[in-house]
Amino acid sequence: AQSVTQLGSHVSVSEGALVLLRCNYSSSVPPYLFWYVQYPNQGLQLLLKYTSAATLVKGINGFEAEFKKSETSFHLTKPSAHMSDAAEYFCAVRNQAGTALIFGKGTTLSVSS
Amino acid sequence: ETGVTQTPRHLVMGMTNKKSLKCEQHLGHNAMYWYKQSAKKPLELMFVYNFKEQTENNSVPSRFSPECPNSSHLFLHLHTLQPEDSALYLCASSQSSLAVANTGELFFGEGSRLTVL
Repeated sequence: AQSVTQLGSHVSVSEGALVLLRCNYSSSVPPYLFWYVQYPNQGLQLLLKYTSAATLVKGINGFEAEFKKSETSFHLTKPSAHMSDAAEYFCAVRNQAGTALIFGKGTTLSVSS
Repeated sequence: ETGVTQTPRHLVMGMTNKKSLKCEQHLGHNAMYWYKQSAKKPLELMFVYNFKEQTENNSVPSRFSPECPNSSHLFLHLHTLQPEDSALYLCASSQSSLAVANTGELFFGEGSRLTVL
């Protein structure tokens, strides 16, 4: 069965520092992987997706993620954090039927000045 | 109005009450979803509807009863809930459920926060 594990429920960085949010996946088929962001009192919004094309995927707001099959990982990075990046981030994998997404527990990112 | 709209945003109910959550999408999509978001737990997929037909029920207790009268509206009828059912219930839509495989583009509403006393 498909699943994702997000390592670290809470990550704190200083403004301007590197952001690294970790996600490992398990999939019985070639995975389609996604990162979503949830700002307070809002729904989830797609940040970026991997659908078997380029392994380095660029998303909105300067985020990117690299698919590493050997490590079964899809970590999210941003070179320089901004205060507005403070939010909850969810990694997700397509389910086996290809009809829905399976989400991780989420990682809360805090950014301090 | 655009996007996915959920009402009510907040709901408090007793265990013997009957209430409903409503979701409406103005995106012309054909698939709609209910997810449950509890603290410290992954989002849980509850139901999937594709062209008004239920295509997935993720072993959800019968005290949750979905209804999809058309591709734009989705309801979640609630009755005899338990305190552990307190959570944020998120509705989402996509072009079709199979389109999720290609784009991953689920469009979410802001959620209905449910508290069961």
